Amino acid sequence: NAGVTQTPKFQVLKTGQSMTLQCAQDMNHNSMYWYRQDPGMGLRLIYYSASEGTTDKGEVPNGYNVSRLNKREFSLRLESAAPSQTSVYFCASSEAQQPQHFGDGTRLSIL
Amino acid sequence: AQSVTQLGSHVSVSEGALVLLRCNYSSSVPPYLFWYVQYPNQGLQLLLKYTTGATLVKGINGFEAEFKKSETSFHLTKPSAHMSDAAEYFCAVSENSGGYQKVTFGTGTKLQVIP
Repeated sequence: NAGVTQTPKFQVLKTGQSMTLQCAQDMNHNSMYWYRQDPGMGLRLIYYSASEGTTDKGEVPNGYNVSRLNKREFSLRLESAAPSQTSVYFCASSEAQQPQHFGDGTRLSIL
Repeated sequence: AQSVTQLGSHVSVSEGALVLLRCNYSSSVPPYLFWYVQYPNQGLQLLLKYTTGATLVKGINGFEAEFKKSETSFHLTKPSAHMSDAAEYFCAVSENSGGYQKVTFGTGTKLQVIP
């Protein structure tokens, strides 16, 4: 019973490098989300996908892009990483009006 | 716009003492309310949820929360703290928005349990 799986778990990048964070869920949920977590700020929504084929901006989308590859997978891409994007990134999935299920996070450091 | 305020970024209790973590919310529609727990280097796990019906909600690990509409509160309690309860706790409010679940999280409360 995997739930929400995120890869990689840890990553160190240099400023200007690009990378893609992967997320997959096996619960057949329609909606998927990407959050970032920073100390003292809770979780802030970056992008979400209400259903397969749709994506929309959340609270802090600048510097990020997403792809809803299929119903299971939702990736987050940093095109040109900046130190301000050092954070812990969480992917989540849910059905309407149900609690979100979270992955274990990707810890990203940008030097 | 919905919002969540968690009073106290750090709370310390002695093992066996009452745990009380405070959460106040604002929402323009009847809210769905959640408490999540986060252990170090892990994601958020659902403790309990309030949607409709009974205002006292019981969750996992002996936690419960009471929805008080008049006070716009959803405080989390546990009668007797265990060492294993040490973690960060997040209150969240949710409403449906254009077909997806818009969730706003509080900034979290770190619970320390003192032996």
